Amino acid sequence: GAVVSQHPSRVICKSGTSVKIECRSLDFQATTMFWYRQFPKKSLMLMATSNEGSKATYEQGVEKDKFLINHASLTLSTLTVTSAHPEDSSFYICSANRLAKSLYNEQFFGPGTRLTVL
Amino acid sequence: TQLLEQSPQFLSIQEGENLTVYCNSSSVFSSLQWYRQEPGEGPVLLVTVVTGGEVKKLKRLTFQFGDARKDSSLHITAAQPGDTGLYLCAGPALRGSWGKLQFGAGTQVVVTP
Repeated sequence: GAVVSQHPSRVICKSGTSVKIECRSLDFQATTMFWYRQFPKKSLMLMATSNEGSKATYEQGVEKDKFLINHASLTLSTLTVTSAHPEDSSFYICSANRLAKSLYNEQFFGPGTRLTVL
Repeated sequence: TQLLEQSPQFLSIQEGENLTVYCNSSSVFSSLQWYRQEPGEGPVLLVTVVTGGEVKKLKRLTFQFGDARKDSSLHITAAQPGDTGLYLCAGPALRGSWGKLQFGAGTQVVVTP
């Protein structure tokens, strides 16, 4: 168990458009999901914590109006990159805690979404 | 801020050789996790260590948690090309940040045939 999916896996869009990325926990419930951004050959950079039924908590320096997060159910969180620009091009990864089983903050990651903004 | 420092940043070895990756901090952690990430994929949890002095084995991978719970190491015996990837250590973020993890900078391991 503990499978997390992301869709799409890869997206190319024009500058100025908005892109929505979905993150789903397939076989467990997740009250908390996390969104990361990763640059080539670098570690994960936490962008925000997505809480089911409440507003997301953004890390310092991350624009909440730029990166809209919605966590509508215990198995789905979405990240929308609004008015995307080339500098938003990156690898976006989501993760989830297993409800009531994450004694040690273990996170299970999706396969990531490669966003390219032309 | 509890920082996790990983070393080395990059490791290139030949198939069959052994390697060790280190994860160090000046702070005590209740637990530490190791993840491996392959190119274009999300990280995959390898192990969680929770007890000071603990040693866990996963086939050819041996994980240790320091007695003081400030450091951890990952040792790979007889590395294979399939071990190639970015190895990340992670620990719980500060109190009040339920569920959050902080990650080390990662160690890129390349195993050539």
